[in-house]
Amino acid sequence: QQQVKQSPQSLIVQKGGISIINCAYENTAFDYFPWYQQFPGKGPALLIAIRPDVSEKKEGRFTISFNKSAKQFSLHIMDSQPGDSATYFCAASGAHNQGGKLIFGQGTELSVKP
Amino acid sequence: NAGVMQNPRHLVRRRGQEARLRCSPMKGHSHVYWYRQLPEEGLKFMVYLQKENIIDESGMPKERFSAEFPKEGPSILRIQQVVRGDSAAYFCASSRKTGLAGSEQFFGPGTRLTVL
Repeated sequence: QQQVKQSPQSLIVQKGGISIINCAYENTAFDYFPWYQQFPGKGPALLIAIRPDVSEKKEGRFTISFNKSAKQFSLHIMDSQPGDSATYFCAASGAHNQGGKLIFGQGTELSVKP
Repeated sequence: NAGVMQNPRHLVRRRGQEARLRCSPMKGHSHVYWYRQLPEEGLKFMVYLQKENIIDESGMPKERFSAEFPKEGPSILRIQQVVRGDSAAYFCASSRKTGLAGSEQFFGPGTRLTVL
């Protein structure tokens, strides 16, 4: 019940294209869903996050779509750039009632080709 | 405003030695989380601490691992009698609080532990 499943494991996109990464969860107590971006040798950096009271959140080229009934959420990167090449992790937590520990997906290695 | 600081950035230990990893949270943050990232894997929660208290250690191995967050000074993750399987990147994250607002976790650069 604590798992977060992420797909695909790796993704290759052409510059200017749309990158889509999907995650699914089981625990209905989760109420906070962040996405992190990690470059090699660096720590994860918070990219964007959503709570289940909204179905979509957009920040610049990054959009989270959230489907509460399906227990799924996804990250869309519009106009993908070579600088977006990194590993992306979705995560979930029950910040409100579970202390806030993050349960991470397995990660998606994104490569944007020029 | 300095981010989460971790030191050392790289640590090499021989089997059986002790490893001490330090984490200073962001200014104003009193909640600290430790995560471990094994090669080619995602991050796994280990322990959650507030000042002088361990709140959740459900992800911590029962033996050889311990964590503290004293009233003064950084949080420490201590691994005794290290084994090769402990080789990983250890990340610390901090947040201002839990609950709906202010619960965003910000990560440090990590400590990469290599056990020879």
